[in-house]
Amino acid sequence: NAGVTQTPKFQVLKTGQSMTLQCAQDMNHNSMYWYRQDPGMGLRLIYYSASEGTTDKGEVPNGYNVSRLNKREFSLRLESAAPSQTSVYFCASRDRRDNQPQHFGDGTRLSIL
Amino acid sequence: AQKVTQAQTEISVVEKEDVTLDCVYETRDTTYYLFWYKQPPSGELVFLIRRNSFDEQNEISGRYSWNFQKSTSSFNFTITASQVVDSAVYFCALSEARGATNKLIFGTGTLLAVQP
Repeated sequence: NAGVTQTPKFQVLKTGQSMTLQCAQDMNHNSMYWYRQDPGMGLRLIYYSASEGTTDKGEVPNGYNVSRLNKREFSLRLESAAPSQTSVYFCASRDRRDNQPQHFGDGTRLSIL
Repeated sequence: AQKVTQAQTEISVVEKEDVTLDCVYETRDTTYYLFWYKQPPSGELVFLIRRNSFDEQNEISGRYSWNFQKSTSSFNFTITASQVVDSAVYFCALSEARGATNKLIFGTGTLLAVQP
């Protein structure tokens, strides 16, 4: 069972570089989410996609863009990386029925120098 | 606004001790869901439990138990006879029940260290 797969697992960027984090789920879930996790701050929602073809901003969207490529895939793009975007990024997906729990990928650890 | 507070930043116990992780939430919604997730040192997030706002029954699963009290807006998590494998960061989270978004609002997490 693959579940939610994130690539890459680790990445180091220089300030100003661009990067796309990939996320794919094989559970036929409608909703997908991107979070960032920073020390002492828990997880904060960056963007989400309630269903294929829709995306919406979360709590901390500045500096990011997303694409819901199809039902399986939801990518997160940093157009011009900044040191403040150094974080661990988690993708999650969820079955929309009856508030099912979100299932998370293993995370992408991103460092921006 | 919705908010989740986990006041305990770190807890250290010795194996076999019982430990309770506190979670206090704020919401104006009458229907909502509460969750606990575990993040072991390997980094993944593992779903533990979901509770809806209409179900105040406490739940027990093996050594884990959860106490939900709407009167105090709390959803506390107890581990009985803790083990080293319980060492992890534990997150409490809240989500609205309206619409399809079901965004999770996370607390800042409690780091539990179980010493042998």
